[in-house]
Amino acid sequence: GEDVEQSLFLSVREGDSSVINCTYTDSSSTYLYWYKQEPGAGLQLLTYIFSNMDMKQDQRLTVLLNKKDKHLSLRIADTQTGDSAIYFCAESIGNYGQNFVFGPGTRLSVLP
Amino acid sequence: GAVVSQHPSRVICKSGTSVKIECRSLDFQATTMFWYRQFPKQSLMLMATSNEGSKATYEQGVEKDKFLINHASLTLSTLTVTSAHPEDSSFYICSARVTAGGRHEQFFGPGTRLTVL
Repeated sequence: GEDVEQSLFLSVREGDSSVINCTYTDSSSTYLYWYKQEPGAGLQLLTYIFSNMDMKQDQRLTVLLNKKDKHLSLRIADTQTGDSAIYFCAESIGNYGQNFVFGPGTRLSVLP
Repeated sequence: GAVVSQHPSRVICKSGTSVKIECRSLDFQATTMFWYRQFPKQSLMLMATSNEGSKATYEQGVEKDKFLINHASLTLSTLTVTSAHPEDSSFYICSARVTAGGRHEQFFGPGTRLTVL
């Protein structure tokens, strides 16, 4: 079945770059997403990438996709304390990409 | 982006009572909504897919008589936890699906924290 994996924890110092990695198994994924969850809150879409793209940049966020290795990463430049949260990788699957499969989430801690 | 609300945000109830959670799409219509459950420090678990005007589709292992879902309109889906027990305590999150330009997007509600005493 479909499976999305992520490392569970990441700590970085304020001002450094953070790289959160994700691997997935379903090669038919149409879109891949990154969501952010702050404590006690729902999920906020950060960015997404179409499966035929290699890279997408949006301000401090850079998404890299290696479709051959089924590897997705999210780079946050100049990480701030407000970036501390759980980051979920998700792939859309199904005949029309209509269903989502989420990874376990990576808890990012930003140290002063 | 589209806004999804949930009500209530927190609820504490006694064991054996039923709790209803509402999920609303505020500025768009959603034919499909999803209900997720999140245990502490764990990922989202899809419970069911709610389709407007028809019965919900439940994931394997989710009791449909325990978690009643009603999607009566294009902007409202409700999840009722019947005869709640402490093990039902969790964070419940709904999402609404929007399709535009061939891409599906899910917009998430802020979640409802249920505590069953």
